[in-house]
Order: sequence, then C-alpha cells, then structure tokens
Amino acid sequence: EDQVTQSPEALRLQEGESSSLNCSYTVSGLRGLFWYRQDPGKGPEFLFTLYSAGEEKEKERLKATLTKKESFLHITAPKPEDSATYLCAVQAYDYKLSFGAGTTVTVRA
Amino acid sequence: DVKVTQSSRYLVKRTGEKVFLECVQDMDHENMFWYRQDPGLGLRLIYFSYDVKMKEKGDIPEGYSVSREKKERFSLILESASTNQTSMYLCATLGETQYFGPGTRLLVL
Repeated sequence: EDQVTQSPEALRLQEGESSSLNCSYTVSGLRGLFWYRQDPGKGPEFLFTLYSAGEEKEKERLKATLTKKESFLHITAPKPEDSATYLCAVQAYDYKLSFGAGTTVTVRA
Repeated sequence: DVKVTQSSRYLVKRTGEKVFLECVQDMDHENMFWYRQDPGLGLRLIYFSYDVKMKEKGDIPEGYSVSREKKERFSLILESASTNQTSMYLCATLGETQYFGPGTRLLVL
C-alpha cells in the first residue's frame, strides 16, 4: 500500500527563519510527487510536480527537491503570508494519488 | 484562467437523501478525483477516473458512487446520506499540473 508521511506536523517560524519540510513516501511505482499549499477553508493550491530523483523546482521562496524515498520543501526567509498547511502527495502508475497529513506552517512577524 | 468548479460551496441535507455533487473542469484533463477532507484525517480519496466512463475506487468508496459521462464533468453521488458523511468534499483534476476545486462543505442532519 502506498504511504506518505509528512514531518513535522506543525512548524512555527520567525519571519526570515529558513526551514525545511519533509515528505517520506513508499509507492509501488512513482509517476509523480506533488506539493500543495492549503489555506483554511479553501481547496489545495498546486505548487510543484517532481518526477524523478535529483529533480528540483523553485517558486519565489519555496524550493522542492526529490530523492528516491523522500522530498523536501525548503522555505527560504519566510514571510507571514507563507503561513499555510503544506501537503505532499504521490501518484502511482495506476494514477491513484495518496496524500500526507500535511505540515502546518506559522510564520510570525 | 484555468478552473475547476464545484456545484455548491455549502450544502445541508437530511439523513437518507440522495446527494449529487458536481465538478466541472475546463482544462481537458484526463484524470479527475473526488476526496473528502476531515480534521486530523487529511485528504482521503473516494473515487477517481482516468477517462470518460472509467472509474476506480479510492480508499473510502463505501456509501458513494460516481459518474463520468463527459470528459469535463465528474459527479459524486451519496446514495443515502448519513451523518458520518458530513465533511468537506474536494474535486481535483490532473494533467501536467493539478488543480483543486474550491470544495463543498456538506452537512448531513
């Protein structure tokens, strides 16, 4: 069974304090790994897709990396508007998506 | 501007009613998904579809059915609503990127 584990569950940061979120996964055959941002009461917003180990994607203060067993979302010099829940998901070759429980990030000014 | 729309943002139904939740996308994506999201449980896959008239069970299909007669439309049906189906329901599509709809918050009384 495909499994996705995110850590930590919650992360409290000072503005400007860089940090990383972890997404560990086991999947029968990886089609892709996805990162999302979710604000309270809204649907998840797509951030990145990673397809193979060694791949990296960047968007503003966020950078996602992928290895064969885990992915990291690095937040560089975060701002209060980066506060959200960040979700990771893996898609197997049968197209099924499995999500982690998320990491809730709070950035204080 | 690409969009995934869901028929209702908020819905209140009574136990035993048949409930239809509709999702429409304008991105020509093959894959469409229905999830429910509950506090502490994260996103759980109910059903998904990788082509018109094709459907696959996700992790929690009991009490639900789906219909995909056209590529752009994926409907979730609660055959006989129960109070434990009170939840936030999210529709998503997947092509090169993934998009979620805004969600439907369903309350079953």
